[in-house]
Amino acid sequence: GDSVTQMEGPVTLSEEAFLTINCTYTATGYPSLFWYVQYPGEGLQLLLKATKADDKGSNKGFEATYRKETTSFHLEKGSVQVSDSAVYFCALRTGGGNKLTFGTGTQLKVEL
Amino acid sequence: GAGVSQTPSNKVTEKGKYVELRCDPISGHTALYWYRQSLGQGPEFLIYFQGTGAADDSGLPNDRFFAVRPEGSVSTLKIQRTERGDSAVYLCASSPTSGTAGELFFGEGSRLTVL
Repeated sequence: GDSVTQMEGPVTLSEEAFLTINCTYTATGYPSLFWYVQYPGEGLQLLLKATKADDKGSNKGFEATYRKETTSFHLEKGSVQVSDSAVYFCALRTGGGNKLTFGTGTQLKVEL
Repeated sequence: GAGVSQTPSNKVTEKGKYVELRCDPISGHTALYWYRQSLGQGPEFLIYFQGTGAADDSGLPNDRFFAVRPEGSVSTLKIQRTERGDSAVYLCASSPTSGTAGELFFGEGSRLTVL
């Protein structure tokens, strides 16, 4: 079945540091890939997505590139801020289905 | 406009009791989803509604779990004979149509604790 593997957290960084959160997947067919973020006290919200190989999703300074050859969708940001502290979830959707398969989440803490 | 609203935000119950969790989606969203998130895990799909009908209930773990959406708006997740293993955060999400699956708008969840 479909699955998503994320690097374990928590990840603690200093402000302005470079961020990478690794995500790899296993799926039948050609999935669409997503990063969701959950800020403290809030619901999950879509951060970015990519629907086909080599697509790059980007939003709020975050980027992720759909790499079919390595089945990866790593999340990156060049300079994190304290306000980026949150839990980040990688997810996939296959075909025309409605179900998202999520990873276990990676907690990011950014300190001054 | 208002986001997805879930009530109660917290529910503590005893093993064997019946529980209802309510979800009020964003107005006009026809698709509604229930997920369950256990501690340290990502959300797991339970059921999906398109309008009033359950289009996919393959994620419901057993027949103690049931969900309805009688008027195509508010949905209720019902859990009978609760067990300690049912303790989790139950998330509701909605989207404008099923075709935009993946771009879901989530509520803050209902945290269920079964003692």
